[in-house]
Amino acid sequence: AQSVTQPDIHITVSEGASLELRCNYSYGATPYLFWYVQSPGQGLQLLLKYFSGDTLVQGIKGFEAEFKRSQSSFNLRKPSVHWSDAAEYFCAVGRQTGANNLFFGTGTRLTVIP
Amino acid sequence: EAGVTQFPSHSVIEKGQTVTLRCDPISGHDNLYWYRRVMGKEIKFLLHFVKESKQDESGMPNNRFLAERTGGTYSTLKVQPAELEDSGVYFCASSQAFAGVAFFGQGTRLTVV
Repeated sequence: AQSVTQPDIHITVSEGASLELRCNYSYGATPYLFWYVQSPGQGLQLLLKYFSGDTLVQGIKGFEAEFKRSQSSFNLRKPSVHWSDAAEYFCAVGRQTGANNLFFGTGTRLTVIP
Repeated sequence: EAGVTQFPSHSVIEKGQTVTLRCDPISGHDNLYWYRRVMGKEIKFLLHFVKESKQDESGMPNNRFLAERTGGTYSTLKVQPAELEDSGVYFCASSQAFAGVAFFGQGTRLTVV
């Protein structure tokens, strides 16, 4: 069965510090992988996606993620966090064929302290 | 270009009442999805339209939920009668391609009291 695990419910980092949000997935085929972010009062915004090719993908707002097939992971990283990055982050996996109904993790809430 | 728009942004109703949520997808997007997040849980798929046809409704929790997409444009999700466990945030998303990237709306927060 498909599932996505985000083991960290809440992370607090200082502004300017580096960030890594963890995501592990269970999937029966080669997946499409996504990171979405939801800022307060906003909808889900796509940060980045992995479909194929280079396993290190760059996204918006200075985020990147690395697909590691051997570890079934797709961790999100940012070298220097800004206060505006405070939000909830969701990892999701979808099928490469057929409908792209997504399976989401439970989300990681990021707090940024000055 | 307008994004995915959902109405209302918040709704508070009493148990047993009916509520209708609306989603306007991005223009030209044939694929429309409904998802739901119950508090503290993951966002879960409810159903998928391709134009006006239901492609996959495997995530619909029960027959109190009815989704429609007449004319293949906007979609509505009706809950009748609402129960306490229906509370949550309902997201709509649309995509151009069958396996393309989904763009999400801001969600409708439904509270059943």
